[in-house]
This record gives sequence, structure tokens and C-alpha cells, in this order.
Amino acid sequence: DGGITQSPKYLFRKEGQNVTLSCEQNLNHDAMYWYRQDPGQGLRLIYYSQIVNDFQKGDIAEGYSVSREKKESFPLTVTSAQKNPTAFYLCASSMGRRVGETQYFGPGTRLLVL
Amino acid sequence: AQSVTQLDSQVPVFEEAPVELRCNYSSSVSVYLFWYVQYPNQGLQLLLKYLSGSTLVKGINGFEAEFNKSQTSFHLRKPSVHISDTAEYFCAVSPLRDDKIIFGKGTRLHILP
Repeated sequence: DGGITQSPKYLFRKEGQNVTLSCEQNLNHDAMYWYRQDPGQGLRLIYYSQIVNDFQKGDIAEGYSVSREKKESFPLTVTSAQKNPTAFYLCASSMGRRVGETQYFGPGTRLLVL
Repeated sequence: AQSVTQLDSQVPVFEEAPVELRCNYSSSVSVYLFWYVQYPNQGLQLLLKYLSGSTLVKGINGFEAEFNKSQTSFHLRKPSVHISDTAEYFCAVSPLRDDKIIFGKGTRLHILP
């Protein structure tokens, strides 16, 4: 089955700790995205990547970092600089042809601070 | 810049009644328009989208939406809702020649028995 997987489903972070959220897709999509979802806030774009080894900041990139070493993978690191990391994080992908394509979403990772 | 306004944060409706979820957008350039649905503790999935052509767009699960350029609106409708339609619905826009999508804040649809 083609799709997007995110792991873990729940993640706990201690003060001063960096944590990494995994996102993998087997849809052969060029573009991948990370969103943060807070209650009543909708989805806000953190980072996106349109091609391997290249990525751009979204609207709320501070305190986050990403890498895109492989087409299938786009991990997100929540660093200790992110002071309010508790949220639901969603990864998505699309073909990346800039013609109104559908974004396909993973099931999400819920990050909680201890 | 683009923005999306979903006028209602929550909409209660009785089962088998019709529903309309409102969406207005603002943009200085032409955009594509989307509605996504999110069931509890899941990711989003596409309901329907407008790219061009007929302004009435039909999607999955009996939903449809109408693009109104003069009113910059893209309201979502269903003639008869079911308990399984309980979810959060997001309106979104994407500028032409851009992969990024700008989402509204969502509308929670509550189906009453």
C-alpha cells in the first residue's frame, strides 16, 4: 500500500532535549511538508522541501530543523529552542508540480512535554 | 499574500439535515481551492478541490462546494449529514504555480442524533 507513515504516534520531550519525528513516504512524491496543528489554529507550515537536499522555511520555522537526504524521508527535529512544542505534528507530500495538486497526509505525531 | 477565513468554528446539525460550512478567502493572485476533512486523531484527507472549469465541484462522501469568484467564497455543502460526518473540516487555498497550501482554522461539525 502506498502512503505516508509517521512515527512515533506519541512522543514525550524533557526540558532541554531535542527530539526527532520521522516521516516516510512511498508515493514517489518530490515535495514534502511539515505542519504544526494547535487547537483552533488550523495547520501552520513549519518547513517544506520540493527536492532532495533542498528545503525552505515555512511560517513558523524557529526552533525546528529538517533534512532531506532521501526522496522518501523528511525528518523533523524539535530543538530545545522551541519553547512551546506541545502540538500535533503532521507530515504531508505531493507530486510537487505546482498545479493545484493534492497533499497527502500522514496520521500525525502528538508531542507532549514532560 | 493569501488568507482563508472559516466563519464558524463549530457547527451543530441534526442527523439527516442539510449543512453548509462557510469559507471565504483573500488573495491578490488566482488560487486553487480545497476542502480537507480530519477525523479525530488522524491526518487530513482531501474532500474536493477546484482548479478550473465548472464552479460546482463534487467530492467524496456526498459533499459538494461552489466557487464564487465575485464573493471570494468556496462554501461546502451536504444535503443530508450522517453521524459518520463528525469531523473537522478545513478550507484551503494554493496560489497558482506554488505548492504551498494555506489552511483556514477549521470548522468542527457536530452531528446531533
